[in-house]
Amino acid sequence: DAGITQSPRYKITETGRQVTLMCHQTWSHSYMFWYRQDLGHGLRLIYYSAAADITDKGEVPDGYVVSRSKTENFPLTLESATRSQTSVYFCASSDTSGLGSSYEQYFGPGTRLTVT
Amino acid sequence: GQNIDQPTEMTATEGAIVQINCTYQTSGFNGLFWYQQHAGEAPTFLSYNVLDGLEEKGRFSSFLSRSKGYSYLLLKELQMKDSASYLCAVVDYKLSFGAGTTVTVRA
Repeated sequence: DAGITQSPRYKITETGRQVTLMCHQTWSHSYMFWYRQDLGHGLRLIYYSAAADITDKGEVPDGYVVSRSKTENFPLTLESATRSQTSVYFCASSDTSGLGSSYEQYFGPGTRLTVT
Repeated sequence: GQNIDQPTEMTATEGAIVQINCTYQTSGFNGLFWYQQHAGEAPTFLSYNVLDGLEEKGRFSSFLSRSKGYSYLLLKELQMKDSASYLCAVVDYKLSFGAGTTVTVRA
């Protein structure tokens, strides 16, 4: 049972390049999320998706693009990477039904991205 | 908007008790989570409170007061492996996280 995986785990890229971070989950969870984690800011939501072909902005969406053509995949693309996007990126999923602790999110291992 | 506050750092001795406070002001409320995150790893679920009161899970307990916008996570019989960051997160239609409290357990 693989759960939720992210690739790559580490990435170094140059300013201006496009880079895509991959996220895959095997639970068929309806909701998927992308966060970035920076020192002093905690986890901040970039984008989320309630189902295939349904996505919405979170707190810090600028400079990022997402898509969700299949329930299990939720790639995050930095269209033109900037140094301020150097961060650790976490993907998460949940099977939210609107009831109780089903809001619990399960996190992937993270991708450490450095933009030079 | 969301405003979630928790202390930045706490230090305690092995075997002791530590209480991590979290205060929040949010536009909606459907519960409060506590997550544990070891350095370099993903956050993992610790507890969920949606009603006022204390939820106990072994060495960890979590308390919620909705009227006060307040929660705490109580860690008892501290062990070295409890050294981690503890994240408070409030649910409206999504999770909003506090910046986290780094707990260091000393021998």
